Amino acid sequence: DSGVTQTPKHLITATGQRVTLRCSPRSGDLSVYWYQQSLDQGLQFLIQYYNGEERAKGNILERFSAQQFPDLHSELNLSSLELGDSALYFCASSVNRGFDTQYFGPGTRLTVL
Amino acid sequence: AQSVTQPDIHITVSEGASLELRCNYSYGATPYLFWYVQSPGQGLQLLLKYFSGDTLVQGIKGFEAEFKRSQSSFNLRKPSVHWSDAAEYFCAVGALWEYGNKLVFGAGTILRVKS
Repeated sequence: DSGVTQTPKHLITATGQRVTLRCSPRSGDLSVYWYQQSLDQGLQFLIQYYNGEERAKGNILERFSAQQFPDLHSELNLSSLELGDSALYFCASSVNRGFDTQYFGPGTRLTVL
Repeated sequence: AQSVTQPDIHITVSEGASLELRCNYSYGATPYLFWYVQSPGQGLQLLLKYFSGDTLVQGIKGFEAEFKRSQSSFNLRKPSVHWSDAAEYFCAVGALWEYGNKLVFGAGTILRVKS
């Protein structure tokens, strides 16, 4: 158990819908990262937040957005869902903003029908 | 641009045999290197990491990896594989990105262990 929690574990929804994935980092960690794992793209970095501020953005679609709250938990919002958004979404956390070990949560498996 | 190559998509080894999973990276600065393992339906568990210092690093579950700057490699090894090691293994390089950082992952190597 890494100490990073993610809810829900599974999510099934329809195209065009909007969902919210939630992540709670390890106690003491200030950085939160989101990654997407799909069969065709592999593991891709989406976005990083540090202490409530966006720090780095990767291959995140405009239909996706994220935020980190004052209690340091983070939410990833996915809207206008398409079939291709079906994937495993991981949250990771680390202590610092810069290079540091990232600890991963168990992931949320999103299925878009 | 940063990249990680894991040339072997699948590897099958016999239980008790030695294992080496290959990883090559491309990164302009001093690399921060990681190996993670993912069991079916599970998240990513950190096996080991290299930040600096001794180029041979020890990890959990009896794994070790050696950083070779001249070859841009960070291969993962285990002297004797157990059936429970069957999983997918990911090599990653930490890269500075905008005002933060990110992990760039290889495509993964699926390890099968035969008894």
